[in-house]
Amino acid sequence: NAGVTQTPKFRILKIGQSMTLQCTQDMNHNYMYWYRQDPGMGLKLIYYSVGAGITDKGEVPNGYNVSRSTTEDFPLRLELAAPSQTSVYFCASSYSMGVGQETQYFGPGTRLLVL
Amino acid sequence: AQTVTQSQPEMSVQEAETVTLSCTYDTSESDYYLFWYKQPPSRQMILVIRQEAYKQQNATENRFSVNFQKAAKSFSLKISDSQLGDAAMYFCAYRTGNTNAGKSTFGDGTTLTVKP
Repeated sequence: NAGVTQTPKFRILKIGQSMTLQCTQDMNHNYMYWYRQDPGMGLKLIYYSVGAGITDKGEVPNGYNVSRSTTEDFPLRLELAAPSQTSVYFCASSYSMGVGQETQYFGPGTRLLVL
Repeated sequence: AQTVTQSQPEMSVQEAETVTLSCTYDTSESDYYLFWYKQPPSRQMILVIRQEAYKQQNATENRFSVNFQKAAKSFSLKISDSQLGDAAMYFCAYRTGNTNAGKSTFGDGTTLTVKP
């Protein structure tokens, strides 16, 4: 299993540009999450999904959109990039029930710089 | 809303010695999970240890153990026989036991330096 994969690893955007951060997991997890991590800080939840077709906002959803058309994929869309969105973005997944449902598996992160 | 507080922004330890990282949390729930994650310079988040709130016994994973004090809402991580590879940022995290919620709350992290 590859686990949770994210692309790209690093990206520079100009203010006002848009992009999609890709996240894929091959563990058949129902739950998926997007976090951002600002320098020296902890993770803040942007959006999460409890299954295909179902998404919900986290703590800091403004400026982002998500979709979940399949169990495996959970892309994060940035529209009109702003310098405040400069951060490291982590995707994670977990089981929805049963033993291990509480443990999140993280991807390697995507570093985004908005100039 | 739940909060997680890590009061030590930085800690250092001599190689082969023991260090304890602190974490406190605030919740009104009785069913929840607590975690410690390690984030090395590669930035990937790695699960170190987890604790179920309904278990009184402290979790242990090799050199890593926790001191879980439910009444005090405290969840410290002890690293024994510290190794150079333990140097990283450590995050404490809380996750509700409500399976429909699916969200975790993270502390701001503690940077651990291991001196040779």
